Amino acid sequence: EAEVAQSPRYKITEKSQAVAFWCDPISGHATLYWYRQILGQGPELLVQFQDESVVDDSQLPKDRFSAERLKGVDSTLKIQPAELGDSAMYLCASSPRQVDDEQYFGPGTRLTVT
Amino acid sequence: GNSVTQMEGPVTLSEEAFLTINCTYTATGYPSLFWYVQYPGEGLQLLLKATKADDKGSNKGFEATYRKETTSFHLEKGSVQVSDSAVYFCALGGVSGGYNKLIFGAGTRLAVHP
Repeated sequence: EAEVAQSPRYKITEKSQAVAFWCDPISGHATLYWYRQILGQGPELLVQFQDESVVDDSQLPKDRFSAERLKGVDSTLKIQPAELGDSAMYLCASSPRQVDDEQYFGPGTRLTVT
Repeated sequence: GNSVTQMEGPVTLSEEAFLTINCTYTATGYPSLFWYVQYPGEGLQLLLKATKADDKGSNKGFEATYRKETTSFHLEKGSVQVSDSAVYFCALGGVSGGYNKLIFGAGTRLAVHP
């Protein structure tokens, strides 16, 4: 069964350093999402792509976070510089183009900023 | 604004007990409603969904009914198993202009003991 791949699974970084996460969605899925899940809370959408275009980045802290999906397939989320409050699980999900389709989630990257 | 409120956990039950996890929502328009489950160390998986009022979603013995009059989507299971131990997230979607954004509740942890 096709799955969403994410790497790394765990990342420890120091405050002020740069960090990047990678996501490979299910083949053929046009929509890709990055969520942040703080411990004890539900996931919150950071950015959503339709093919290579950003359609929603209203909750993305653009002074330090950036995301790209250059060829409309895999995606990278970057944080520079990392802050202590960025410690969280970063989840990637993908879905087919239509509204209300199930979102398929990857295993996530757990980030710890020290 | 759009939001989801879930009952706080943890919920601790004995095997074969009846489960209810309450979920209420606030939304403009006509959202779709979802329950996702997160097993330890894994990503979120869709458990069930309902796309319009009075629809009942069901899967693996779990069920939830979309109640527009009470803005609720409570999750129920008649007889839980140890393997049901996980975190359950209620979510609403379809409220961001057709781009399938999901808004999650904080999650409810379920622990089932033999």
